[in-house]
Amino acid sequence: AQKITQTQPGMFVQEKEAVTLDCTYDTSDPSYGLFWYKQPSSGEMIFLIYQGSYDQQNATEGRYSLNFQKARKSANLVISASQLGDSAMYFCAMRGGYNKLIFGAGTRLAVHP
Amino acid sequence: NAGVTQTPKFQVLKTGQSMTLQCAQDMNHNSMYWYRQDPGMGLRLIYYSASEGTTDKGEVPNGYNVSRLNKREFSLRLESAAPSQTSVYFCASSEAEWGGQGVGELFFGEGSRLTVL
Repeated sequence: AQKITQTQPGMFVQEKEAVTLDCTYDTSDPSYGLFWYKQPSSGEMIFLIYQGSYDQQNATEGRYSLNFQKARKSANLVISASQLGDSAMYFCAMRGGYNKLIFGAGTRLAVHP
Repeated sequence: NAGVTQTPKFQVLKTGQSMTLQCAQDMNHNSMYWYRQDPGMGLRLIYYSASEGTTDKGEVPNGYNVSRLNKREFSLRLESAAPSQTSVYFCASSEAEWGGQGVGELFFGEGSRLTVL
């Protein structure tokens, strides 16, 4: 069975500093994808970044990067130069067989000025 | 540019009442999903439809039924609502086909807040 674990219910970071949000996963599928989504207080879900299980390099999208360690089954999100607008819930998700996506419980990030 | 549209956005039900949440997407996506979001539990998959004509159970299907009416529409029905079904419900769609390996990120609707008294 697939499983996504986010062990940090809440995190805080000072503005302009970097922060790492943890995500570990478990799957028996050899082919899978990992996603990170942001949910601000307004409630919408915003796609941030994707990593495929066969991708050789870690994904990057602007200030977001994904620290993918396949052997450890971890896919941590790194946000560099945090901004006040980064305060939100962050969800890690995994897609396995049959295009089924499951999400972790989320991490609430607070960026302090 | 409607994307994924859910209706209604808010609903209050009494225990035992039934209702259907409607979802439509205009992006020609093959896969559609229903999730519920509860505090501290993230998004949990209720049902999904990998392609038109197929539906499968997710993590928490009990008490729900779904219909993939056509490629655009995927509805979620509560036959006899219970207070435990009070939640925010999200519909989503993605472009990845059955077994596809594209990025296939989910596109979400705005959510439907359901309260069961």
